[in-house]
Parts: sequence; C-alpha cells; structure tokens
Amino acid sequence: DGGITQSPKYLFRKEGQNVTLSCEQNLNHDAMYWYRQDPGQGLRLIYYSQIVNDFQKGDIAEGYSVSREKKESFPLTVTSAQKNPTAFYLCASSYREFNQPQHFGDGTRLSIL
Amino acid sequence: DQQVKQNSPSLSVQEGRISILNCDYTNSMFDYFLWYKKYPAEGPTFLISISSIKDKNEDGRFTVFLNKSAKHLSLHIVPSQPGDSAVYFCAASESASGTYKYIFGTGTRLKVLA
Repeated sequence: DGGITQSPKYLFRKEGQNVTLSCEQNLNHDAMYWYRQDPGQGLRLIYYSQIVNDFQKGDIAEGYSVSREKKESFPLTVTSAQKNPTAFYLCASSYREFNQPQHFGDGTRLSIL
Repeated sequence: DQQVKQNSPSLSVQEGRISILNCDYTNSMFDYFLWYKKYPAEGPTFLISISSIKDKNEDGRFTVFLNKSAKHLSLHIVPSQPGDSAVYFCAASESASGTYKYIFGTGTRLKVLA
C-alpha cells in the first residue's frame, strides 16, 4: 500500500541537540511538506518542497532545516536554535497540481528532556 | 493573522443528529477548500473538498457548503456516529499563488455522544 511513513513516532531531545525526523513517501508525489501542530494552533507550515533539490520556507522555518535529495524523502532537522521544539510534527505530500489534497503521515511527537 | 478560522474549538452532538462544523476565511483569492479529520496521535485524513466554482459537494454522510460572499464554509455530517468523534480541520488554497500550499484552521473537536 502506498503511503507516508514518519519515524520515529516518539523522539526525545536533550537541550542543545539537533535531531532529525524522517519522512518517506511512496505515492510518487512531487511536493512534500512539514507542519508543526501545537495545542489550539492548528497546523503551521515549517518548510515545503515542490521538486527534488528545491525547498522553501514556510511560516515558522526558524530553527529548522530540511533537504530534498530524493523524491521519496524529505527529512526535517530540528536544530538547537529552535527554542520551543516540543510539538507534534506532521509530514505531508501531494501531486504538484492545484486542487489536490495533501496526504499525511502519522506524525512524530518530539519532547525535550 | 489567521486567514482561516474555526471559531468553535469544540462541539458535542447526539448520535444520529446532524453535526455542523464551521470555517471562515479572509482571503477572497482562496479557491479550493478541504476538510480533514484527525484522531489523536495520528495524521489528518482527507474527508471532502470543494472548489470555488461550486457551492455544495456531497460524499455519503458528509456535505460541504461554500458561501463565497460570506467567505464561509461548513461541513455537515448526517447522521453523526460515535466514530466521527475527532478533530476536524478546514484548509484553503489559492491557485494564483503558484504554490500548492494550504492554510489550515485551528480545528474543531467533535464529540458524538452515544
């Protein structure tokens, strides 16, 4: 079955550490996205990529970095510069066409030790 | 500035009755809208969409209505079932932006009481 796989489901980080969240899709989608969900704030866009080797900042990119070396993969690094990293992180993908829904993975919950 | 707003954080409905979830937007250039359903610790699941050229779209128990002049859309679930208990997000996109991004609302938690 095609889908989006995020790993790990739970992740713990010590202060000052960088951590990388994995996102892999086998839906043959060109576009991929990272969102952050905090209680009462909905989904906020961190970064998105519409094609391999290209990505753009979303609304809350500070303290995060991404790469898009393969169509299937869009890892997100939460750096030590992100002051409040505790959140639920969601990866999504879609066809590079208008009026197409995004498909989501099951998320990674990041907590600070 | 929240471009997509879901002003009701929660809603409780009796099983078998209608659930109505509301969403307002401010950007008149939005031309495609989605509703997602989300269970705890899972990713959102796409439910139903509507293009701005329509004012209604149905899929089984789910109907989405769009009122462009009021910049308002709503999701109707009839009849509501306990399994519908989840958080519902509306999302909007603007094809003229040249990107495929969506702006999401803050969500409404629906609880269907048995």
